[in-house]
Amino acid sequence: DGGITQSPKYLFRKEGQNVTLSCEQNLNHDAMYWYRQDPGQGLRLIYYSQIVNDFQKGDIAEGYSVSREKKESFPLTVTSAQKNPTAFYLCASSMSAREKLFFGSGTQLSVL
Amino acid sequence: AQSVTQPDIHITVSEGASLELRCNYSYGATPYLFWYVQSPGQGLQLLLKYFSGDTLVQGIKGFEAEFKRSQSSFNLRKPSVHWSDAAEYFCAVGGLGGFKTIFGAGTRLFVKA
Repeated sequence: DGGITQSPKYLFRKEGQNVTLSCEQNLNHDAMYWYRQDPGQGLRLIYYSQIVNDFQKGDIAEGYSVSREKKESFPLTVTSAQKNPTAFYLCASSMSAREKLFFGSGTQLSVL
Repeated sequence: AQSVTQPDIHITVSEGASLELRCNYSYGATPYLFWYVQSPGQGLQLLLKYFSGDTLVQGIKGFEAEFKRSQSSFNLRKPSVHWSDAAEYFCAVGGLGGFKTIFGAGTRLFVKA
C-alpha cells in the first residue's frame, strides 16, 4: 500500500541532544512537508520541499533542520537550539499545490 | 503576511442542528483552499477543496464550503450535524508561492445529544 511512514511513534530527547525524525513516502510525490502540532495552535509549518535537494523554511524553522537527498525521504532534525521541542510532529506529502496532503501517523516528541 | 484564521476555538451544536465553521485567509492572490478533519488519535482527512470554478464546493460526509473572494473566506457548512462529526476541523491554504501550505489553528466541534 502507498503511504507515508513516520518513525518512531514516540521519541524522547535529553537536554542538548539533537534528534532526527524519519519520514518516508512511496507515493512518488514531489512535495513533502513537516508540521508541528500543539494544542490550540493547529499545524504550523516547519519546512517544506518541492523537489529533491531543495527545501524552504516555513513559519517556525528556527531550531530545526531538514534534508531532501532522495524523493522518498525527508528527515527532520530537532536541534538543541529548539528550546521547546515537545510537540506532535506530522510529515505530509502532495503531488501538487492543488492536491490534498497525505499525512503520516505522526511522532510525539517529549523532553526528558 | 500569509495567514489562516479560524476565529472559533471550539463550537458546540446539538445533533441535527446546522453547522458553520469560519475560515478567513490573508494572501494576495486566490489560493487553493482546503478543509480537513482530525478525529482523536487519527490523522487528517480531506473534506473538500477549492481551486477554481464554482465557488460552492461539495465534500464528503455531507459537508460543503463556499469561497467568497470579497471576504477572503472559505466557510464550512453542514445542514444537519451527526454525533460522529465531533472532531477538530482545520482550514488550510495552499499554493502560497509554489507548494507552501499553511493551516489555521483549528476549531473543535462538540456535538450534544
